[in-house]
Amino acid sequence: DGGITQSPKYLFRKEGQNVTLSCEQNLNHDAMYWYRQDPGQGLRLIYYSQIVNDFQKGDIAEGYSVSREKKESFPLTVTSAQKNPTAFYLCASSTTQGGLNQPQHFGDGTRLSIL
Amino acid sequence: AQSVAQPEDQVNVAEGNPLTVKCTYSVSGNPYLFWYVQYPNRGLQFLLKYITGDNLVKGSYGFEAEFNKSQTSFHLKKPSALVSDSALYFCAVRDRGYSTLTFGKGTMLLVSP
Repeated sequence: DGGITQSPKYLFRKEGQNVTLSCEQNLNHDAMYWYRQDPGQGLRLIYYSQIVNDFQKGDIAEGYSVSREKKESFPLTVTSAQKNPTAFYLCASSTTQGGLNQPQHFGDGTRLSIL
Repeated sequence: AQSVAQPEDQVNVAEGNPLTVKCTYSVSGNPYLFWYVQYPNRGLQFLLKYITGDNLVKGSYGFEAEFNKSQTSFHLKKPSALVSDSALYFCAVRDRGYSTLTFGKGTMLLVSP
């Protein structure tokens, strides 16, 4: 069954620590996205990638980094520079065939908390 | 710039009654509009989209949405609500000059038995 897998489901970060959230898709989608969800604030775009080895900053990229070395994978690193990382992180992907009006498919998220 | 507003944080409706979840948008060109639903501790699921053409769009689970260009609205509707429809609903917009979506803050729908 095709889909997006995010791991881990729960993650705890210590002060000064970098942590990496995994996102893998087997939908053969070109585009992948990372969003941050906070209560009452909706989804905010962190980074996105429309092709392997290329990615762009979203609205709230500071304190985060990504890589896109493979089509299937788009890991997100939350660095120690992100002072308020506690949130629900969602990864999504979409095909670019037929234009950019295709719906995004979402994983089930990673909940990150500070220890 | 593109933006979207969901004016209600929460909508309450009794099972069997019609429901409406409101969404208004702002774009400089012609919009692509989407509705998604989120259940607790899950990702978003796509419900429906408006690209062009018929102003009434039908989607999954009996939901539909009406595009109104003059009022810049894209309200989500269902003729008869189910308790299982209780969830968080997000409207999203993409201006045709942009490559990413902007999401609203979400509306919690509570359907009482």
